[in-house]
Amino acid sequence: QKEVEQNSGPLSVPEGAIASLNCTYSDRGSQSFFWYRQYSGKSPELIMFIYSNGDKEDGRFTAQLNKASQYVSLLIRDSQPSDSATYLCAVNNSGDQAGTALIFGKGTTLSVSS
Amino acid sequence: DTGVSQDPRHKITKRGQNVTFRCDPISEHNRLYWYRQTLGQGPEFLTYFQNEAQLEKSRLLSDRFSAERPKGSFSTLEIQRTEQGDSAMYLCASSLTGGYNEQFFGPGTRLTVL
Repeated sequence: QKEVEQNSGPLSVPEGAIASLNCTYSDRGSQSFFWYRQYSGKSPELIMFIYSNGDKEDGRFTAQLNKASQYVSLLIRDSQPSDSATYLCAVNNSGDQAGTALIFGKGTTLSVSS
Repeated sequence: DTGVSQDPRHKITKRGQNVTFRCDPISEHNRLYWYRQTLGQGPEFLTYFQNEAQLEKSRLLSDRFSAERPKGSFSTLEIQRTEQGDSAMYLCASSLTGGYNEQFFGPGTRLTVL
């Protein structure tokens, strides 16, 4: 059973702080790694994706990948109350025919207080 | 780019009834996915189409579930003889072939089985 593990939280940070969200995965063959943001009652929204070891930055978001450790993280700088949501980590399932199905973690709930 | 659309947004049905959901992907996307999400869980993969071909189906998917994408554009997901355990958010996503398979989700159809 391939798994993606996330701390469910809640992770509480003050406005302006850095939020650090972490994820580990079991499928060593996974090549694509995604972070989705999901507001309560809404569908997931893609915010970051990463394929190579190291860091990838996009605005206030930085994704970090370490394939050897099977670890993905998301940093949110200058956190805003509007960042309060559940963050889902997803990896591609290397075992399916096209390697395209995503395996999701249960998500980490982030709360940013003003 | 109008995004992925799904219809209906909400469906309430009685146990034993059949229901059908529709998904219209982003117009140039030839890959289409169905996922199911229950409260407190991440989305769970159900099935995947490339154009009109159904290339992958989760082993967890009951025989009561069937999906089609007859002309490679919109897709339908039918659940026969619904059970209370089918109550969930049904999410559709689409992506382009090639690249790293970034999947974009529609707003979802929330199913409640009474």
